[in-house]
Amino acid sequence: DAKTTQPPSMDCAEGRAANLPCNHSTISGNEYVYWYRQIHSQGPQYIIHGLKNNETNEMASLIITEDRKSSTLILPHATLRDTAVYYCIVRSGGGADGLTFGKGTHLIIQP
Amino acid sequence: DADVTQTPRNRITKTGKRIMLECSQTKGHDRMYWYRQDPGLGLRLIYYSFDVKDINKGEISDGYSVSRQAQAKFSLSLESAIPNQTALYFCATRAGMGNYGYTFGSGTRLTVV
Repeated sequence: DAKTTQPPSMDCAEGRAANLPCNHSTISGNEYVYWYRQIHSQGPQYIIHGLKNNETNEMASLIITEDRKSSTLILPHATLRDTAVYYCIVRSGGGADGLTFGKGTHLIIQP
Repeated sequence: DADVTQTPRNRITKTGKRIMLECSQTKGHDRMYWYRQDPGLGLRLIYYSFDVKDINKGEISDGYSVSRQAQAKFSLSLESAIPNQTALYFCATRAGMGNYGYTFGSGTRLTVV
């Protein structure tokens, strides 16, 4: 699976959009970009995933660059409950051997 | 009830003791996983199972064993606990092949003294 690079921490004001970047320059054609978050030692929570096209669900939007070497997770109206560690993970969709977690980005939402 | 339930939530045990962490799921998923998380680090895969008869080692399986008693149950055992196995342990499930997200349990905090 391709490796990812994320900033260790970010701040965002409550009510503003939080934009979390992820670099995955070695991504291959059959690999998807997944985002999970972990709120203070709870189990990680699935947020969203995508292959090429931008994706949106009730939690977030995922913007993937045309060359697929980077992506951005957008939380449109961040709340204090969005404070968490966010993990960007790249892997092939059909694999079954688990996820490889890096250290992620610690997003802190400021009141 | 939670989709993925882990027991116990917290456990303190002594060095050399055998301990079992249990995981059960109501998702009906085939795939189950055990992860370990150390402070400030991401999760690392210990074991995973595709179905009852299929068990696979993950990145850090030494010192651990697992049992898939049924599709819904996947247990992790530490045969002889040691202090550096003190960590947060997570169970996860996933549907079969395809681009499905993983569902994680709430974790078991294990301390080996």
